[in-house]
Order: sequence, then C-alpha cells, then structure tokens
Amino acid sequence: DSGVTQTPKHLITATGQRVTLRCSPRSGDLSVYWYQQSLDQGLQFLIQYYNGEERAKGNILERFSAQQFPDLHSELNLSSLELGDSALYFCASSPRTRPDTQYFGPGTRLTVL
Amino acid sequence: AQSVTQPDIHITVSEGASLELRCNYSYGATPYLFWYVQSPGQGLQLLLKYFSGDTLVQGIKGFEAEFKRSQSSFNLRKPSVHWSDAAEYFCAVGALEYGNKLVFGAGTILRVKS
Repeated sequence: DSGVTQTPKHLITATGQRVTLRCSPRSGDLSVYWYQQSLDQGLQFLIQYYNGEERAKGNILERFSAQQFPDLHSELNLSSLELGDSALYFCASSPRTRPDTQYFGPGTRLTVL
Repeated sequence: AQSVTQPDIHITVSEGASLELRCNYSYGATPYLFWYVQSPGQGLQLLLKYFSGDTLVQGIKGFEAEFKRSQSSFNLRKPSVHWSDAAEYFCAVGALEYGNKLVFGAGTILRVKS
C-alpha cells in the first residue's frame, strides 16, 4: 500500500458524459501527478500539481482538467467522454524531501460505453 | 525527445531461473531511473530507483538494476525468479529539468512457468 488513495476503483459511463476522479496523496506530500494507462498509448503523464498550483502539463486533452484543493487532494475531470478515453487513470504523489520519487495509487478504471 | 524502450514485450522464465529485463533510454538531461511492477488489476509499485552514485542498485523483492551510462541502459535483474514475480514491469525515466514527470517504457510482461 503506497498511501495514495483513489476513488472510485471502477467507473462505467456512456459517451458524452462527464466524470470526476479523485485522488488523496500520501500524508505530507504536496505534489500530485496524473497518468493515463491505455492499451494503445501505454502510460502517459497528464498533469502535475504542487500545493494547489499547476506545475506541468503533458498529453492532456482539452476535454480534461484537474485541480488540487487546499487539503491537497486532487480531482481529474473528464468531459465529453469518448470510447477512446477508456483507460486506467493513476494518481501519484511525491514527498517534499524527494520530489523525484513518485508513489502511485491503485488507479481508477474508466470504461466508456 | 525523451523516450524509454523496453524491447521485450513478453518474457517467460522457469521458476528458479535468473531474469534480466532490458531498458534503454534516450534523454536530454541527466536522468534518474526507476523500475515499477504492476500485478494484474493493481497499481504500480516502486521496485527500485537510481539517482546517482553506485551504478548497481538494490530494490525490494530481491531485484537489482545496473545503470550503464555508456549504453544508456538500466536493466533489471533477479537471480532466482519466484512464481509470484509474474507481472508487468515498467522502466521509467525522469529528470528535474523536465519537472520530474516520468516517461515510461511500454512494459514487459513476465510469465513464470513451474
């Protein structure tokens, strides 16, 4: 158990819908990262937040957005969902003392029908 | 461009045999390197990491990896594989210059036969 929690574990929804994935980082970690794991693209970095501010952006679609709240939990919002958005979405956090090491949550499996 | 190559998509080894999973990287900055393992339906567990210093690093579950700068490689090894090691293994690269985001290889699926 890495200490990073993600909810829900599974999510099934329809095309065109909007969903919110939630992540709680390890206690004391200020950085949160979101990654997408899909069969065709593999594991890809989406976005990073540090203490409430966006720090880095990767291959994140405009239909996707994220934020980090004052209590440091983060949410990834996916809208206008398409079949190709079906994937495993991981959240990771890193400690202040070792910002280069990321600990991953169990992931949220999103299925878009 | 930053990239990580894991040339073997699948590897099958017998239980008790030695294992080596290959990883090559291309990076425009001084990298730090990781190996993660993902069991079916599970998240990513950090096996080991290299930042600097001794190029042979020890990890959890009896795994080790060797960083070879001249070959841009960071291969994962285990002297004797157990059936419970069957999983997918990911090599990842990061750098402070790129904001610590990780670039992952495509993964290697390890099958262990008894």
